Amino acid sequence: EAQLLESGGGLVQPGGSLRLSCAASEFAFSVYAMTWVRQAPGKGLEWVSTIGHSAAETYFADSVKGRFTISRDNSKNTLYLQMNSLRTDDTAVYYCAKVLWIRPPNGWMDVWGKGTAVTVSS
Amino acid sequence: EIVLTQSPGTLSLSPGERATLSCRASQSVSNSWLAWYQQRPGQAPRLLFYGASSRASGIPDRFSGSGSGTDFTLTISRLEPEDFAVYYCQQYDSSPSTFGQGTKVEIK
Repeated sequence: EAQLLESGGGLVQPGGSLRLSCAASEFAFSVYAMTWVRQAPGKGLEWVSTIGHSAAETYFADSVKGRFTISRDNSKNTLYLQMNSLRTDDTAVYYCAKVLWIRPPNGWMDVWGKGTAVTVSS
Repeated sequence: EIVLTQSPGTLSLSPGERATLSCRASQSVSNSWLAWYQQRPGQAPRLLFYGASSRASGIPDRFSGSGSGTDFTLTISRLEPEDFAVYYCQQYDSSPSTFGQGTKVEIK
């Protein structure tokens, strides 16, 4: 069964940085696009960023553009999200998910990790 | 940006009853490129349907998805205890991909 496991969340001050990781197993990670979706406390889901299977294409929500970077290491079956200049409204649980692309960067997400919590607070 | 509006916000029903959840788009979603997800408390979302009506692997047939254009529906024919959760729709036709605000199905 395909699995994703996020790590790297925690408490960070406004303006700080954090790097999230997502380890994939039991599927051919290198052939699929991957995405990050976040959920603020008590709120709904928000798409954050997507990366193509070869990392040649990356996409970002306007709310994180210029502050977040997405990358992947297909040799390690791992996805990353580098978050800089963090703001209090970035506080959320961050999920990584496998995306089945229809029209890049959009598609549906058929495998999700359990999420990692990021709290931005002084 | 396509805005998805889900209704009702909360649905209070008893086990065994039928649940009908609505997702309305602010503009037409071409090719019915809409997905539904279930999120149980403290858990990650789980894919239920893609393409509006294509059931994901392992999803029981008491769940059904339908609709096209701007109006989409998720139906649960007979609620089981594990179905009480929050349900989200997502459109992947237009960038950015967007989610509805969710419908909570709670035990009456």
